[in-house]
Amino acid sequence: GENVEQHPSTLSVQEGDSAVIKCTYSDSASNYFPWYKQELGKRPQLIIDIRSNVGEKKDQRIAVTLNKTAKHFSLHITETQPEDSAVYFCAWGSYNKLIFGAGTRLAVHP
Amino acid sequence: GAVVSQHPSWVICKSGTSVKIECRSLDFQATTMFWYRQFPKQSLMLMATSNEGSKATYEQGVEKDKFLINHASLTLSTLTVTSAHPEDSSFYICSAKPGTGSGNTIYFGEGSWLTVV
Repeated sequence: GENVEQHPSTLSVQEGDSAVIKCTYSDSASNYFPWYKQELGKRPQLIIDIRSNVGEKKDQRIAVTLNKTAKHFSLHITETQPEDSAVYFCAWGSYNKLIFGAGTRLAVHP
Repeated sequence: GAVVSQHPSWVICKSGTSVKIECRSLDFQATTMFWYRQFPKQSLMLMATSNEGSKATYEQGVEKDKFLINHASLTLSTLTVTSAHPEDSSFYICSAKPGTGSGNTIYFGEGSWLTVV
């Protein structure tokens, strides 16, 4: 069935450290893998996405890697800042819809 | 970027009444819109996929007679929670997808907080 597992559920880092969040999906037909950042009570904001024909994509401090063979994709945030603190959701797209992971609560401590 | 507007942002209703939430794509045509529900500290759970001019496709476990979805135009989808109960209190959020085909970027509305008292 459709499922995406996300780990860890919480992540606490010191400012300047890197943070990595990993998701594993089950449907090999998935072809779109976005990452969203959500602050409390607000809409999810797309921060980066990757399509199945690409293995890695980077945008300044944020990068996403995709391993289609292993069916997992990861979000990498380098040089973390306190304003990066939020809940991050991975998602995968298949059959015209997005399925979200359970979310990772990232706390960046000054 | 594309803008999706959702209204109302906050609504309080009495148990047993119905409440309607609107989702509008302001600067693009959305053949497909999605409705999600998010309980506190939980993920976004897809409720249904709304296709313009046709019936919505509901996810397993979502009551179609309780959560009525209408997508009458390419820029508007509505979710009506009928006979609301306190357990329906949640953050409801829509998203819209420009164009057709899988893999396109999806844009979210601001969300609507529903409290049923």
